[in-house]
Amino acid sequence: KAGVTQTPRYLIKTRGQQVTLSCSPISGHRSVSWYQQTPGQGLQFLFEYFSETQRNKGNFPGRFSGRQFSNSRSEMNVSTLELGDSALYLCASSLSSTSGHLGEQFFGPGTRLTVL
Amino acid sequence: GENVEQHPSTLSVQEGDSAVIKCTYSDSASNYFPWYKQELGKRPQLIIDIRSNVGEKKDQRIAVTLNKTAKHFSLHITETQPEDSAVYFCAASSNVIGGTSYGKLTFGQGTILTVHP
Repeated sequence: KAGVTQTPRYLIKTRGQQVTLSCSPISGHRSVSWYQQTPGQGLQFLFEYFSETQRNKGNFPGRFSGRQFSNSRSEMNVSTLELGDSALYLCASSLSSTSGHLGEQFFGPGTRLTVL
Repeated sequence: GENVEQHPSTLSVQEGDSAVIKCTYSDSASNYFPWYKQELGKRPQLIIDIRSNVGEKKDQRIAVTLNKTAKHFSLHITETQPEDSAVYFCAASSNVIGGTSYGKLTFGQGTILTVHP
């Protein structure tokens, strides 16, 4: 099976702009989670989607949003970019189900966002 | 919410030695504890995980132990090799639907492991 893919791999934006990142999960995986990785804060959870519904959300401002499509592909959007949003954004997919079992999360390669 | 503390932040060992990384968690509802290895410039990859119904799990040179009472879990790597050099992250999560940690991995700050030949 193909692994988790993310596009684009690198992005450079300026403050105030907005950005959309895309994540394609492993075939058959219905859960997609997003994480922000920075040297100072480490890996922090943004949100998780399952069957097009956001099931959980981390402690990030409303400028960070996401959605999931019927084919389980997910996008996250960051509006009004700030310098502090520069980070590696990782998505992860898993075989999570409605019954509760959280399967292994497989990470994508990430999108490196630089805000100037 | 869940909080995961990881120690040490850096660990340097000689090839062939053992390495131990320890994590503590705060949420008693957490019941899934994976360990990820991240090499420079690469994605995190799961190396081993443990669920709260077992106390220990082993996979070749890697083992994880869990003490639910004390809320801590540890990664043990034996016979370390230079290719084990990477950043290791512990994490905690819960599969209790509706709980604040469901579907969410809370990570420790990471341990930079260096194995000297």
